Amino acid sequence: NAGVTQTPKFQVLKTGQSMTLQCAQDMNHEYMSWYRQDPGMGLRLIHYSVGAGITDQGEVPNGYNVSRSTTEDFPLRLLSAAPSQTSVYFCASSYSIASGSKWDTQYFGPGTRLTVL
Amino acid sequence: SQELEQSPQSLIVQEGKNLTINCTSSKTLYGLYWYKQKYGEGLIFLMMLQKGGEEKSHEKITAKLDEKKQQSSLHITASQPSHAGIYLCGAGRIQGAQKLVFGQGTRLTINP
Repeated sequence: NAGVTQTPKFQVLKTGQSMTLQCAQDMNHEYMSWYRQDPGMGLRLIHYSVGAGITDQGEVPNGYNVSRSTTEDFPLRLLSAAPSQTSVYFCASSYSIASGSKWDTQYFGPGTRLTVL
Repeated sequence: SQELEQSPQSLIVQEGKNLTINCTSSKTLYGLYWYKQKYGEGLIFLMMLQKGGEEKSHEKITAKLDEKKQQSSLHITASQPSHAGIYLCGAGRIQGAQKLVFGQGTRLTINP
């Protein structure tokens, strides 16, 4: 199993550009989430999904879009990048129906370090 | 103020010493995750606690959940340089693990 994979690892954007951060998992997990990590603030939830076709907003959703067309993939789209979106982005997944517990181990990807100039 | 407060924010200990990191929630805890992060890297899952009074151990790291105090503690015995990093607690609410709220992290430095 590759676990949770994220691409790219690093990205530099100019203000106003758009891009998509990719996230994929091969553990047949129902739950997938996107977090951003900023110095001194821990991780904050951007968007999450409890299954294919179902998404919802987290704590800091503004400026980001998500969709979940398959169980495996959960891309995060930056519509018009702003310097305030400079951060490290983590994707996470958890809970397979087979495990029977919504408190399953949550696995994180390696992160994408984004800089917006 | 943060929904989940970690203390201390940073900690420097001599190799071989014991240490404790606390994570206190302002709301009811339904599931509490502990992660370790090396600088510039992803999060490594350590333990998850769900029931009040629950205690789990992995190698020299023990985590406990005090449901009444809405608090969890992470204790490292006989610290080693490999324990250095940032420790993060994440709390789940009633919905489950898809919506975790994280503390700001505790930066642990181990001096030889």
